[in-house]
Amino acid sequence: KAGVTQTPRYLIKTRGQQVTLSCSPISGHRSVSWYQQTPGQGLQFLFEYFSETQRNKGNFPGRFSGRQFSNSRSEMNVSTLELGDSALYLCASSRDPQNTEAFFGQGTRLTVV
Amino acid sequence: GENVEQHPSTLSVQEGDSAVIKCTYSDSASNYFPWYKQELGKGPQLIIDIRSNVGEKKDQRIAVTLNKTAKHFSLHITETQPEDSAVYFCAASISGTASKLTFGTGTRLQVTL
Repeated sequence: KAGVTQTPRYLIKTRGQQVTLSCSPISGHRSVSWYQQTPGQGLQFLFEYFSETQRNKGNFPGRFSGRQFSNSRSEMNVSTLELGDSALYLCASSRDPQNTEAFFGQGTRLTVV
Repeated sequence: GENVEQHPSTLSVQEGDSAVIKCTYSDSASNYFPWYKQELGKGPQLIIDIRSNVGEKKDQRIAVTLNKTAKHFSLHITETQPEDSAVYFCAASISGTASKLTFGTGTRLQVTL
């Protein structure tokens, strides 16, 4: 059974650009959450999607957005990139929002220069 | 919002010794407390969790205890092995599930031979 797949694994972008990250959850999982991991702030919740609807949102500026497709795959977008957006972006999937086990992908390492 | 503090930030133990990592949370409504292990280059992996209606839970060499009154919970690893070396994160949620987790800042555990 394939795990959570995040693409790409690494990205280098320039300040002001925008970026789109992709997450394919485990087959049969319909809930996808995104987290930002940095050395200074640790793991911070970005948003959660279930059945193509955003259920929860963390305290991030509007430059951070996401969506979920009918096949449960999710994307997150960051516009007008800032140096501080450099981080490991992690996606976690679970069967549904009531499930306690969340499986994380390996993450996308974004570097903004 | 919820705030989770985790101590220590680094922990070095000899193989076979026990390791204890402690976390405190601020929101008394939190009712689900998972622990994750993150190895280099990988996403966090759930190792054990506990709900607010339980005081202790064990799974082989790993145990978690919860003190709701003091709002703190701890991870105990006995008979540590080199493969236990990793970064451990505690987390808390008010939803009773892995939805919208607030993470601690992590503990780097080093098990030496």
